[in-house]
Amino acid sequence: EAQVTQNPRYLITVTGKKLTVTCSQNMNHEYMSWYRQDPGLGLRQIYYSMNVEVTDKGDVPEGYKVSRKEKRNFPLILESPSPNQTSLYFCASSVAGTGRNYGYTFGSGTRLTVV
Amino acid sequence: LAKTTQPISMDSYEGQEVNITCSHNNIATNDYITWYQQFPSQGPRFIIQGYKTKVTNEVASLFIPADRKSSTLSLPRVSLSDTAVYYCLVDSGGYQKVTFGIGTKLQVIP
Repeated sequence: EAQVTQNPRYLITVTGKKLTVTCSQNMNHEYMSWYRQDPGLGLRQIYYSMNVEVTDKGDVPEGYKVSRKEKRNFPLILESPSPNQTSLYFCASSVAGTGRNYGYTFGSGTRLTVV
Repeated sequence: LAKTTQPISMDSYEGQEVNITCSHNNIATNDYITWYQQFPSQGPRFIIQGYKTKVTNEVASLFIPADRKSSTLSLPRVSLSDTAVYYCLVDSGGYQKVTFGIGTKLQVIP
């Protein structure tokens, strides 16, 4: 089944303790992206990647890092999490290129709480 | 990336047809229009995509006028399970920032 898999689904951590949220897709998509969703603010893009070793900042990149060493994986790293990073996180992927991309496929989400 | 504007919320009774319109005045030639549906605590799900005129699938219809500056998602005979947030996205596919915005919260009433 074509899908985007995120882990973990739920995570509670303490301020300052480094964590990684994994994202993997099995559709051979070039484009991958991370979003955070907060009440009243919609989906905001954190980082995106157009292919292996090519990443760029979205609208809210502060406090996050990403890497794209393999085409299928795009982990989100919080080096020193803070309470304002408590949010619902989504990973998404799609084919890349100008024109029709047949939409973005999203993962099931990771609910992160930083205390 | 074309900025989109859509209503924040809508209410509808079960069995009615619902039309949600999205404005995208600065849509570019290469841009496609895609609508997504999101249920609470789930990732958005692709509903329909189009470039111009009308597109229909088993879930919805998408109407795009000739100037492409707006689009309308039409959901026929909605049920309670159609209560969700609907996002309109205009982009040329996977080489840029992608902003989904706040979307339209549709509440279907029994």
